[in-house]
Amino acid sequence: DTGVSQDPRHKITKRGQNVTFRCDPISEHNRLYWYRQTLGQGPEFLTYFQNEAQLEKSRLLSDRFSAERPKGSFSTLEIQRTEQGDSAMYLCASSFRGPMDEQFFGPGTRLTVL
Amino acid sequence: TQLLEQSPQFLSIQEGENLTVYCNSSSVFSSLQWYRQEPGEGPVLLVTVVTGGEVKKLKRLTFQFGDARKDSSLHITAAQPGDTGLYLCAGAFETSYDKVIFGPGTSLSVIP
Repeated sequence: DTGVSQDPRHKITKRGQNVTFRCDPISEHNRLYWYRQTLGQGPEFLTYFQNEAQLEKSRLLSDRFSAERPKGSFSTLEIQRTEQGDSAMYLCASSFRGPMDEQFFGPGTRLTVL
Repeated sequence: TQLLEQSPQFLSIQEGENLTVYCNSSSVFSSLQWYRQEPGEGPVLLVTVVTGGEVKKLKRLTFQFGDARKDSSLHITAAQPGDTGLYLCAGAFETSYDKVIFGPGTSLSVIP
C-alpha cells in the first residue's frame, strides 16, 4: 500500500499524559500537513512541512504541540500534558508540491483524552 | 480572517433525488477543491476548480465555481446510497496561498 499511513489509529490517554502520533506520507511527496478535525467540523490546519522544514504553524497549535519531520520523510506530532479539549481526529496529508495539488489524506488518529 | 461557509449543514434525501450543496466566502479564492469524507477515513479529493465560471463534471456530480471566485456549488443528480458522506470544500486564498482552509462540510445521507 503506497498511500499515507498513520499510527496509531486510536489512542486513549489520561489528562496530563504525553502522546505522539506518526505519519508516513507518500514517498515522493515534498509537502506534509497536519490537521485536527472534531465532530461536525472540517479539518483545521495545524502545521505543514516542505521537506524537513516546518514552514507554518497555526495559532491553534499551542506550545504543548510540537511536530517534526526529520530527513523530510515521516513526521511525528507530539502533544504534551494532554487536555480533554485535545480530543479529536488528527489527520495527516501529503502532496507533491503546493496545497492545491491533490492532498492525499491518511485515515487519521483518533485521540480520546479522559 | 478567511472563513468558508457551507450549506446546508445536513441533508437527508431519498435515493434518486437531486441535490445541491454550496460553499462560499467573503474573500476571493485563488482556487477551490471539493473533497468527500466517509466515516473513519480521511477526505478524498473530488475536483479542483481554478477559473471563475468554471464548470466540471464527474459522472453524476457537477461542480461550478462562481464568476467572482467567492462561491462554488456541487450538484448531484440521481443520488445513490454510495454518495453518503461529508462533502468538504477547501479554498486557497490569494493572501495565504501556502495552505488551504476547509469549510465545516455538508453531511449527506442518501436513504435507499
